[in-house]
Amino acid sequence: SQQGEEDPQALSIQEGENATMNCSYKTSINNLQWYRQNSGRGLVHLILIRSNEREKHSGRLRVTLDTSKKSSSLLITASRAADTASYFCATASGTYKYIFGTGTRLKVLA
Amino acid sequence: DVKVTQSSRYLVKRTGEKVFLECVQDMDHENMFWYRQDPGLGLRLIYFSYDVKMKEKGDIPEGYSVSREKKERFSLILESASTNQTSMYLCASSTPASGRGNEQFFGPGTRLTVL
Repeated sequence: SQQGEEDPQALSIQEGENATMNCSYKTSINNLQWYRQNSGRGLVHLILIRSNEREKHSGRLRVTLDTSKKSSSLLITASRAADTASYFCATASGTYKYIFGTGTRLKVLA
Repeated sequence: DVKVTQSSRYLVKRTGEKVFLECVQDMDHENMFWYRQDPGLGLRLIYFSYDVKMKEKGDIPEGYSVSREKKERFSLILESASTNQTSMYLCASSTPASGRGNEQFFGPGTRLTVL
């Protein structure tokens, strides 16, 4: 089974609205990362939050981490059509191993 | 501009062929990874390497092997391609965890079809 499970699987919103997606995981982690993947392309790193952090911001992105619930959320504010992509969380529990979830497909309608 | 490149964007091979997928990074990263991505299954780790000539099995190594003769290059080998290896293959690299954050940098992917 997947360590990271994103929720929802798919999300469709209007331009200018906020998009929230969630990630749950099963084991203890060193850090949690969010990535974006445009259709048919490689993944691009968005933001990393360490296990001792609760919230982190980067531009229009806000990530929260609740280690007691083993969950994280990614908020994209004031979404744009260019934000249309799949978003993945990835957990790092060891030195080398990253476990990716199955992703949330976000569609932003102009 | 940091870069991970993969030898092909699209590849079509026949069952039983030996297939080589090449990945090159120009960031002097110690760690390199090969994943496959399938709908509904997300990314699954095939192999990773933390140094030249060093390799570790990931979650789904069966049917694959890897080679890392130089720091910048990590090759994935399908010894005898089968139709269930039709997939998107993604290469990534990163610094060690003790470095500046161990984010992964991905290549554009190779979409392999095995007929």
